[in-house]
Amino acid sequence: DQQVKQNSPSLSVQEGRISILNCDYTNSMFDYFLWYKKYPAEGPTFLISISSIKDKNEDGRFTVFLNKSAKHLSLHIVPSQPGDSAVYFCAASAGRGGADGLTFGKGTHLIIQP
Amino acid sequence: GAGVSQSPRYKVAKRGQDVALRCDPISGHVSLFWYQQALGQGPEFLTYFQNEAQLDKSGLPSDRFFAERPEGSVSTLKIQRTQQEDSAVYLCASSKTLVGQGYNEQFFGPGTRLTVL
Repeated sequence: DQQVKQNSPSLSVQEGRISILNCDYTNSMFDYFLWYKKYPAEGPTFLISISSIKDKNEDGRFTVFLNKSAKHLSLHIVPSQPGDSAVYFCAASAGRGGADGLTFGKGTHLIIQP
Repeated sequence: GAGVSQSPRYKVAKRGQDVALRCDPISGHVSLFWYQQALGQGPEFLTYFQNEAQLDKSGLPSDRFFAERPEGSVSTLKIQRTQQEDSAVYLCASSKTLVGQGYNEQFFGPGTRLTVL
């Protein structure tokens, strides 16, 4: 049973437009959420995170929104750039201050078209 | 370099062979994690160390998997009698986090791609 779900295996967006990647979770104990970006043959790279006490966190072109009642988070990238083409993983941590393994979704492959 | 490094980057093993995968975390990071990523899946947690202590090994899929971090820095993941289902990318991550000191993100290495024939 997947505790973190990314239901869109892929997403195609035109350069300059907004990319919205979605993630749902089932475990109410998750209290910290992260987005990682992964290029082929590289390890995941941390992008942005959000604590469950917040509903929004912004860093440059990247904004993460958290809706705890719906157990849903989303990553917005605006404007989208060609270098944003990668696989994006949503991950969650369950209340031990980060001293535990992350639970990942299966990833969404974002393709930015010129 | 200042990042997490892993070696070898690629490993091909015959079924039944033992393999050892190495992880060098970021200097000073007390927490170290191992993950297994199968094709088309997200990384799945295997085990966690705080310094040299293995605090969680709940994700290890069988007793053929063994991890150690004897001096609290470099870690080795060993797989005995490899099977075809062990074929995956093995990722190592490190973090500054100590329990109760707030969250710090995990930094990942490039992974070791293991193929068992």
